[in-house]
Amino acid sequence: AQSVSQHNHHVILSEAASLELGCNYSYGGTVNLFWYVQYPGQHLQLLLKYFSGDPLVKGIKGFEAEFIKSKFSFNLRKPSVQWSDTAEYFCAVIRSGGSYIPTFGRGTSLIVHP
Amino acid sequence: DVKVTQSSRYLVKRTGEKVFLECVQDMDHENMFWYRQDPGLGLRLIYFSYDVKMKEKGDIPEGYSVSREKKERFSLILESASTNQTSMYLCASSTYGGMNTEAFFGQGTRLTVV
Repeated sequence: AQSVSQHNHHVILSEAASLELGCNYSYGGTVNLFWYVQYPGQHLQLLLKYFSGDPLVKGIKGFEAEFIKSKFSFNLRKPSVQWSDTAEYFCAVIRSGGSYIPTFGRGTSLIVHP
Repeated sequence: DVKVTQSSRYLVKRTGEKVFLECVQDMDHENMFWYRQDPGLGLRLIYFSYDVKMKEKGDIPEGYSVSREKKERFSLILESASTNQTSMYLCASSTYGGMNTEAFFGQGTRLTVV
């Protein structure tokens, strides 16, 4: 069965610190990869996605993620976090040959102190 | 803007009650989903539908059923609510465009069963 692993469950940073959140998946075929964000009190929304081409993907609010196929990873990065980045972050995978339903990781709660 | 609207933000129900959670989307999306979000467990798929009157079980369908009589509306039904169904319920929709389509989420319904 396909699974999505997010290794960091809780991350606490100070403003201006760099961020990297890990995401690994277990499916060996073609995949599309997503990061979603849920700000406090708001609905989940797409941060960025990868489906082909340049493995370094840029998203909204200065976030980026790198797809490393050999490592089955799609880590999320931001060079300098802000207090407004406090949120829950979810990695998701859609695999080829499936029913195009995203499978989500368990999420990472990020708290940024001002 | 895509809008996915869930009928209630907060619900409190008694054990044994039949509970209906309603979701409406306004973008003519083919796919609709119900997820359950619990701390530390991320989003788990309950049911999904890729067309009117079509439904498929997700990872945790036990105790739930769904109804999709119209394309824009997808209802989640708790036949006999139990305290272990206390959770945040998220509805989402996406277009039937393959692997690179993002899901759009509603605000969520926080259900408490007492």
